[in-house]
Amino acid sequence: EAQVTQNPRYLITVTGKKLTVTCSQNMNHEYMSWYRQDPGLGLRQIYYSMNVEVTDKGDVPEGYKVSRKEKRNFPLILESPSPNQTSLYFCASSLSGSAGIAGYTFGSGTRLTVV
Amino acid sequence: AQRVTQPEKLLSVFKGAPVELKCNYSYSGSPELFWYVQYSRQRLQLLLRHISRESIKGFTADLNKGETSFHLKKPFAQEEDSAMYYCALLTGANNLFFGTGTRLTVIP
Repeated sequence: EAQVTQNPRYLITVTGKKLTVTCSQNMNHEYMSWYRQDPGLGLRQIYYSMNVEVTDKGDVPEGYKVSRKEKRNFPLILESPSPNQTSLYFCASSLSGSAGIAGYTFGSGTRLTVV
Repeated sequence: AQRVTQPEKLLSVFKGAPVELKCNYSYSGSPELFWYVQYSRQRLQLLLRHISRESIKGFTADLNKGETSFHLKKPFAQEEDSAMYYCALLTGANNLFFGTGTRLTVIP
């Protein structure tokens, strides 16, 4: 089944403790992206990647890192999480140049709480 | 810079009534617009895209470049339409920019 898989689904952590949220897709998509979803703010893009070893900042990149060493994986790294990063995170992927036709495929989300 | 505006955070309609979810955009290039839907406890999924001019689950949306709008409409709302709806704009860099969303509640 074609899908985007995020892990973990839920995570509670403490301020300053490094964490990684994984994202993997099995559709051979070039393009991958991370969003955070907050009440009243909708989805805001954190980082995106056009292909392997090609990443760029979205609208709200502060406090986050990403890497794209393989086509299928696009982990989101919080080196020193803070409470304002408490949010629902979504990973998405698409074939480059075809998002307008096929749309993005989204993961099921990771709910992160930083205390 | 691009912008997607959904002026209504919450919208409630009675079952069988018409529904319209508003979306306005600002973009210097040629816009590609979408509606995504998120049902309770589910992931976001594509509902429809303007280039297809399709009707999905009874919903339609017409791109009006003069008014820079892409409103989502359905003539007769159903209870199962209750969800969060996001309007989104695709840029030339393949990035999708979302509005803040409208939560639709269909009252039985």
